[in-house]
Amino acid sequence: DQQVKQNSPSLSVQEGRISILNCDYTNSMFDYFLWYKKYPAEGPTFLISISSIKDKNEDGRFTVFLNKSAKHLSLHIVPSQPGDSAVYFCAAGAGGSGTYKYIFGTGTRLKVLA
Amino acid sequence: GAGVSQSPSNKVTEKGKDVELRCDPISGHTALYWYRQSLGQGLEFLIYFQGNSAPDKSGLPSDRFSAERTGGSVSTLTIQRTQQEDSAVYLCASSPSNTGELFFGEGSRLTVL
Repeated sequence: DQQVKQNSPSLSVQEGRISILNCDYTNSMFDYFLWYKKYPAEGPTFLISISSIKDKNEDGRFTVFLNKSAKHLSLHIVPSQPGDSAVYFCAAGAGGSGTYKYIFGTGTRLKVLA
Repeated sequence: GAGVSQSPSNKVTEKGKDVELRCDPISGHTALYWYRQSLGQGLEFLIYFQGNSAPDKSGLPSDRFSAERTGGSVSTLTIQRTQQEDSAVYLCASSPSNTGELFFGEGSRLTVL
């Protein structure tokens, strides 16, 4: 049972344009969401997060949108740069005591074309 | 450095042998996670430690897999009688108790021949 799904395994975007990466989840108890970027042979690095009390969070070129009713979140990268080429993972967690067991999606490989 | 440290970075073993993978989390982080990434796959949750609570082992794929966390710090993931399907990158992450961000190590790549 895949609780967190990234249905697009890959995405190609021209440099300077917007990249939109999508993520769907099934568990309505999830209340905190993370996006990570992973380069080959490195551990994932944190990009941006969003709590379920918000519908948008922005950090520089990265914006995450959350649609709770649709159980859908998306990561927007504007403008896209060649260095953004990596695999992007979304993760969802359900809190309790303040730390979260996170379930990750299968990832989307983004290629930004110069 | 002050990040999550994993060892070994690479391990090649023969089918049937036992392996141990080590994770040194960031000092003070109470939560520790193990994930694995098989070739071309996403991050698969294995086990989660939070403070002194019983670990959440719901992601361990078989009873050949076990993990412990000593003194609330260092963790060891043990795989007994390794199989070729155990080949993957095993990632450890830690997190402070009151934020959601996970800090990952660079992973231990396990190859079972």
